[in-house]
Amino acid sequence: GAVVSQHPSRVICKSGTSVKIECRSLDFQATTMFWYRQFPKQSLMLMATSNEGSKATYEQGVEKDKFLINHASLTLSTLTVTSAHPEDSSFYICSGLASYEQYFGPGTRLTVT
Amino acid sequence: GQQLNQSPQSMFIQEGEDVSMNCTSSSIFNTWLWYKQDPGEGPVLLIALYKAGELTSNGRLTAQFGITRKDSFLNISASIPSDVGIYFCAGLGIKGGATNKLIFGTGTLLAVQP
Repeated sequence: GAVVSQHPSRVICKSGTSVKIECRSLDFQATTMFWYRQFPKQSLMLMATSNEGSKATYEQGVEKDKFLINHASLTLSTLTVTSAHPEDSSFYICSGLASYEQYFGPGTRLTVT
Repeated sequence: GQQLNQSPQSMFIQEGEDVSMNCTSSSIFNTWLWYKQDPGEGPVLLIALYKAGELTSNGRLTAQFGITRKDSFLNISASIPSDVGIYFCAGLGIKGGATNKLIFGTGTLLAVQP
């Protein structure tokens, strides 16, 4: 199956700083990638749809100026959490779309202190 | 955001028992999917259902896409310790919405005692 990686797997940052998370499709090209957020003991909630070469589409309630998404190539999308605060601490998961199926990355645990 | 209702919320069973969980929605979906998520990992696809009424098996797992396209169930037979995890249903292609957007269920935590 298609493989998606994320980097870093865990990150701890101080409140007010920015953090970048990378999502890579390793063996397929993903014109569309998705970013999800998962709080403890909760389900995955879609944050935004990332399209290569164009602006991301954000879900209602997700601040596009706080969660910057860049999809500059067919194998890489990045999510930057700007001016992070403790309430942004969560598990961030990306997925790549291949042949109408989404393949998920292993997730990035963000902790903001 | 929208979520699908999944039940039960959690299950604690003995190894060898069969398990059943289901997922319901007020909206119609084109595709239903079932995922398993281990702690600290991303979800992994178990079964995909593409047609209303479809019954599909994958080893000890069996899932069905409801006739109304608003529900689905997942059965696990003869559970083993490695079945432990959180199971999520997901609907793809909500009627009237984006065709490639996944909406996840609330999840079922499965614990299997050896």
